[in-house]
Amino acid sequence: QQQVKQSPQSLIVQKGGISIINCAYENTAFDYFPWYQQFPGKGPALLIAIRPDVSEKKEGRFTISFNKSAKQFSLHIMDSQPGDSATYFCAASKSGGFKTIFGAGTRLFVKA
Amino acid sequence: DGGITQSPKYLFRKEGQNVTLSCEQNLNHDAMYWYRQDPGQGLRLIYYSQIVNDFQKGDIAEGYSVSREKKESFPLTVTSAQKNPTAFYLCASKASGASDTQYFGPGTRLTVL
Repeated sequence: QQQVKQSPQSLIVQKGGISIINCAYENTAFDYFPWYQQFPGKGPALLIAIRPDVSEKKEGRFTISFNKSAKQFSLHIMDSQPGDSATYFCAASKSGGFKTIFGAGTRLFVKA
Repeated sequence: DGGITQSPKYLFRKEGQNVTLSCEQNLNHDAMYWYRQDPGQGLRLIYYSQIVNDFQKGDIAEGYSVSREKKESFPLTVTSAQKNPTAFYLCASKASGASDTQYFGPGTRLTVL
């Protein structure tokens, strides 16, 4: 009930390609779904987040797609760049709550 | 310049010794968190604190202890009871109310020799 399942574990994409990372959750009480980006040796930083009242949110090259009925959400990185190479975590939480459940992470490598 | 600081960045300790990791925030956030990160295992919650003088165990609290005497500070002690303490430790904070975003510090890499 509390898990967030993330796939794939690792991803290699050519420069200019589209990177897609998927997450699935079980607890229907979750209503905040952020994505974090982490570079080696650094702390994660919020990249983009979505709430279930919309099915898609776009910020620059980054888009979250959200499917409430399937309890799934995904991160799309358009025109992937070598500088996007990092670990990406999806997460879920309940608004006003204190705990956030994180996925296991996806290591993205963008080849130049 | 608001943010979360963790010190030290790297820490080496001998097996059997207790060690304390520092976490300070000047974001005026009520909630603070400690996570442990191991390769391929994501972020696992050790302890969290919603307000000063109050804290709760997370999913992997055994072998760790915390205190929250000030709003700005949430130190984590890794005790000798922690079987495998070598890891990357992350501190985070979150404002109360409408904001649900956690803000992370730069992390401390602990290596037990």
